[in-house]
Amino acid sequence: IQMTQSPSSLSASVGDRVTITCRASQSISNYLNWYQQKPGKAPKLLVSAASSLQSGIPSRFTGSGSGTDFTLTIRSLQPEDFATYYCQQSYTTHGWTFGQGTKVEIK
Amino acid sequence: QVQLVQSGAEVKKPGASVKVSCKAFGYIFTSYYIHWVRQAPGQGLEWMGVINPGRGSTSYHEKFQGRVTMTRDTSANTLYMEVPSLTSEDTAVYYCARGSSIEGRVWDPADYWGQGTLVTVSS
Repeated sequence: IQMTQSPSSLSASVGDRVTITCRASQSISNYLNWYQQKPGKAPKLLVSAASSLQSGIPSRFTGSGSGTDFTLTIRSLQPEDFATYYCQQSYTTHGWTFGQGTKVEIK
Repeated sequence: QVQLVQSGAEVKKPGASVKVSCKAFGYIFTSYYIHWVRQAPGQGLEWMGVINPGRGSTSYHEKFQGRVTMTRDTSANTLYMEVPSLTSEDTAVYYCARGSSIEGRVWDPADYWGQGTLVTVSS
């Protein structure tokens, strides 16, 4: 299963609303997860099962979608949110696949 | 608290092998799947495989099947991932990551990650 994210990168300002999309090459139901990765750090799980926010993750992060099309929205971008975001499918028994990543940079 | 602590950075020559370790703290070692994921410099995340620490059973990405070996030492709460016959394309940060409980779906996402181990392959 191929995962395609868009855009590959974006520039935004603090306070902006940001939306990242992820498309699967076939239906994956809601087996879609989102991670945040900062430079030199391990990925951090933000959202599982398409829309379930992990404990301790701010409510400005929202995941939605099912089937093949998914989105991660950051309602009001904060300085600590500048990072790279990856979607990941956990549907197939052949293992995880990740999107290519979306880098969120400061405008 | 839950922690995965990986071994330090390695520099290897082409053709050599590397064995990365991942020591688990703060939970029942045999109760959670451990996945291995790698990230080449400036690139995305690539899943390599998963091990059930209790049984020692493994499942590998077809790209790494027959090439990578994942093992564990239950007496030391430590996982290992060995890559033989290294090439420059194996230069990457290698992560271990804790997946779901062994009573759940093996493919559920990872909630805790190690700090990563940089493996550099260079002559």
